[in-house]
Amino acid sequence: EAQVTQNPRYLITVTGKKLTVTCSQNMNHEYMSWYRQDPGLGLRQIYYSMNVEVTDKGDVPEGYKVSRKEKRNFPLILESPSPNQTSLYFCASSKGQGGQPQHFGDGTRLSIL
Amino acid sequence: QKEVEQNSGPLSVPEGAIASLNCTYSDRGSQSFFWYRQYSGKSPELIMFIYSNGDKEDGRFTAQLNKASQYVSLLIRDSQPSDSATYLCAVRSGGSYIPTFGRGTSLIVHP
Repeated sequence: EAQVTQNPRYLITVTGKKLTVTCSQNMNHEYMSWYRQDPGLGLRQIYYSMNVEVTDKGDVPEGYKVSRKEKRNFPLILESPSPNQTSLYFCASSKGQGGQPQHFGDGTRLSIL
Repeated sequence: QKEVEQNSGPLSVPEGAIASLNCTYSDRGSQSFFWYRQYSGKSPELIMFIYSNGDKEDGRFTAQLNKASQYVSLLIRDSQPSDSATYLCAVRSGGSYIPTFGRGTSLIVHP
């Protein structure tokens, strides 16, 4: 079954404590991306990756890092989380490098206290 | 600043009717247009995409694009209660890998 898997699904943590949200896809997709979804603001892209070792900033990259060491994995790293990063996060993948997300993970709800 | 505007709704239609969802965008260089459906508490799912002016049909869904008016719409024929969801419009400019999403329109189909 084609899947984008995110972990954890829910996380409550404190300001400044580094965290990583993992994302893995089993479709051999080249393009992967991270989004955050906030009420009244819609989906906004944080970072994207066109292939292994190729990443670039989206619209709201401040405070986030990513890496793409393997094609299937695209973790999102918050090195020093702050309360304004409390949000619902989605990882997505798509075939080719067109950039339009086709498959989304189930989402990770992060609360930074 | 690229903007994609959608009426937040809710748009309420009776079962069996045609639901019409609209989206306008600011960037005249936009080349790719997408509609996603998002059920409450779930992740978005891609349901339609359109690149050329005119209509594109897929089952009960029709996407309509008018680049001159910077307008894209989604028609849902024979609406069902299971179509009740938030519909997100997304637009991408040529050469960009960063889509811009609208805030979504909530659709309610009542029996």
